[in-house]
Amino acid sequence: EVQLLESGGGLVQPGGSLRLSCAASGFTFSNYPMSWVRQAPGKGLEWVSGIDSSGDDIHYADSVKGRFTISRDNSKNTLYLQMISLRAEDTALYYCAKHYYISGSFFWAYWGQGALVTVSS
Amino acid sequence: DIVMTQSPGSLAVSLGERATINCKSSRSVLYTANNKDALAWYQQKPGQPPKLLIYWASTRDSGVPDRFSGSVSGTDFTLTISSLQAEDVAVYYCQQYYTGPWTFGQGTRVEIK
Repeated sequence: EVQLLESGGGLVQPGGSLRLSCAASGFTFSNYPMSWVRQAPGKGLEWVSGIDSSGDDIHYADSVKGRFTISRDNSKNTLYLQMISLRAEDTALYYCAKHYYISGSFFWAYWGQGALVTVSS
Repeated sequence: DIVMTQSPGSLAVSLGERATINCKSSRSVLYTANNKDALAWYQQKPGQPPKLLIYWASTRDSGVPDRFSGSVSGTDFTLTISSLQAEDVAVYYCQQYYTGPWTFGQGTRVEIK
C-alpha cells in the first residue's frame, strides 16, 4: 500500500524558514517523480514544485521560485521541501504527491495527508 | 500559464440525479503523441487529500465508480456524475498536465439538494 507521510510543518514568522519532509513507502520511490501541492485554508489547489526520479529535473511555480528548494534522498525514500523567506501567503496545507507514471505527466494518484504551514507573527 | 476555469462554483443536485461540472482550458492541452487531452479530475472531501478520479480527460482511475465519466470538446471538459450518491458530496477540481506550471481549476462544490 502506497503511503506518504509529511512532517515538519508548523508556525513560523514572516521571513522565517521551514523544511518539510515526506516519507514514502509501499512503492519503489526511486522510480517515480514527486511533487508538492499546497492548499491555502478554504482555497483551491496549487502545484508548488516537482522533481524527477533522479533529482536532476526540477520545476517550481513562479510564486515560490528562488525561495523554495525541492530535493529527494532515494536511499531514505524521502522527499523534502526547504522553504525560506516565508510569507503570509505561503500559509497552506502542503501535500506530498506521487506522480502517476514513472516518466513525466504531472498528475497524481497518491497524496499524503498534508503538513500545515502557518506563517504569522 | 494555462488557465483552467470551472463552472459552476457550486451546485446542488438531488440524490440519483445527474451532476455536470464544466472546465475550460485557456488553450489546447492535447498531446499530439497520443492524441489525448492532458486533463485530470479530482474529488476532495472535507479533511481529506484530493483523490484522482479521471485522467486523459476520460479514463477512470482504478476503483472509481462508473457513474463518474469525463468528456471533452475542444478545450471544454466535462465531469458527469450520472446518479449522485450521498458519498459524492465533495469539491471537484480539474487540472491540466500538458505543460508547466501545472494548473488547477478553482473547484466546484457539489451538494445534495
